[in-house]
Amino acid sequence: GIQVEQSPPDLILQEGANSTLRCNFSDSVNNLQWFHQNPWGQLINLFYIPSGTKQNGRLSATTVATERYSLLYISSSQTTDSGVYFCAVKSRNYGGSQGNLIFGKGTKLSVKP
Amino acid sequence: DAGVIQSPRHEVTEMGQEVTLRCKPISGHNSLFWYRQTMMRGLELLIYFNNNVPIDDSGMPEDRFSAKMPNASFSTLKIQPSEPRDSAVYFCASSPRQGDTEAFFGQGTRLTVV
Repeated sequence: GIQVEQSPPDLILQEGANSTLRCNFSDSVNNLQWFHQNPWGQLINLFYIPSGTKQNGRLSATTVATERYSLLYISSSQTTDSGVYFCAVKSRNYGGSQGNLIFGKGTKLSVKP
Repeated sequence: DAGVIQSPRHEVTEMGQEVTLRCKPISGHNSLFWYRQTMMRGLELLIYFNNNVPIDDSGMPEDRFSAKMPNASFSTLKIQPSEPRDSAVYFCASSPRQGDTEAFFGQGTRLTVV
């Protein structure tokens, strides 16, 4: 099946710093989502972005589908940004498994005051 | 819409007991997913349904696990008998349809088997 790799696995930032999280995937996708899992365990939708660029406040994301990667940018980070950021994809090419949303292992972000 | 609703939020049970987790997807969504999250294995897809029909259950760990979707607004994940290694957070998610649509997650059920 499709492989999803996220980097870096861990990231520590000072409040106010910017960061870039990366997601690489091994096959063509028809769905790519970024999630934030907060310290209470909730999975919060950040972006649905199978291709192109989107922005929402201090967060933005870019997916280059032809090169099989996506980037999540966090600007002016705040302590409330702490948590784990997951990338998840659905492959175009796995028949009945096309509906499967496969997760990477995540990037654990800690923002220090 | 209230989002995906899971119950219970927390469950503590003794080894060997039956456990039933419940999920109500977002109204109008045709695809439903069950995931399990552990420290060791991360977020794993257990099973997904499309139009109430199980499409892929290859992630179900063993015969002790079963999932049903009797109608478009309700699904259950049952573990019988439960074992300590089943302790995890179980998430349910739904999306409007299979393929290129956004999935939304419930708040999860934290299961502890002692």
